[in-house]
Amino acid sequence: NAGVTQTPKFQVLKTGQSMTLQCAQDMNHNSMYWYRQDPGMGLRLIYYSASEGTTDKGEVPNGYNVSRLNKREFSLRLESAAPSQTSVYFCASSEAGLAGYLSAYNEQFFGPGTRLTVL
Amino acid sequence: GEDVEQSLFLSVREGDSSVINCTYTDSSSTYLYWYKQEPGAGLQLLTYIFSNMDMKQDQRLTVLLNKKDKHLSLRIADTQTGDSAIYFCAEFGNQFYFGTGTSLTVIP
Repeated sequence: NAGVTQTPKFQVLKTGQSMTLQCAQDMNHNSMYWYRQDPGMGLRLIYYSASEGTTDKGEVPNGYNVSRLNKREFSLRLESAAPSQTSVYFCASSEAGLAGYLSAYNEQFFGPGTRLTVL
Repeated sequence: GEDVEQSLFLSVREGDSSVINCTYTDSSSTYLYWYKQEPGAGLQLLTYIFSNMDMKQDQRLTVLLNKKDKHLSLRIADTQTGDSAIYFCAEFGNQFYFGTGTSLTVIP
């Protein structure tokens, strides 16, 4: 049981290059999330997928796209990387969707992160 | 987005108690959480509290919630060097919002 896995662990891009960050979970969770973590700013939600087949914007979606490929996998794409996208990216998953199961706590399980530098 | 605020740094001596504070903004938040992040790793859930509770105790951890002031705190009793990490509070109303994180350093 690997939990939430992310690839790659590290990546350096030049401005304007594109790349896709991969995330997979083996806990049969319905919901998946992409966050970025910047110093002094905590985690900010980029996109989330409440269930297979749906995706929604979070707090900071500009410059990113996502694909919920199947229940296990949720990828984040940077079409034209910019230095402002230098950050640590975390994928997470949870059993319940954001809009549901409000009577139950909704623990998120996080991957180990991808450290991205855009030059 | 919501502003969930925490002080950035806290330093305590081993064996003392640590208190990490958080203020949140969404009074409709149903759950509030404390996550721990160790160096180079993702976040792990430490504990959570439902919004209709004032206090929750879990071994060395005590969570206090003051809904009127929208203030959440995490007390770690008998702090150990292994508790050194970044601690995030988070709220869940209709979306998750995380605080800025508090870096706890435990001095042997």
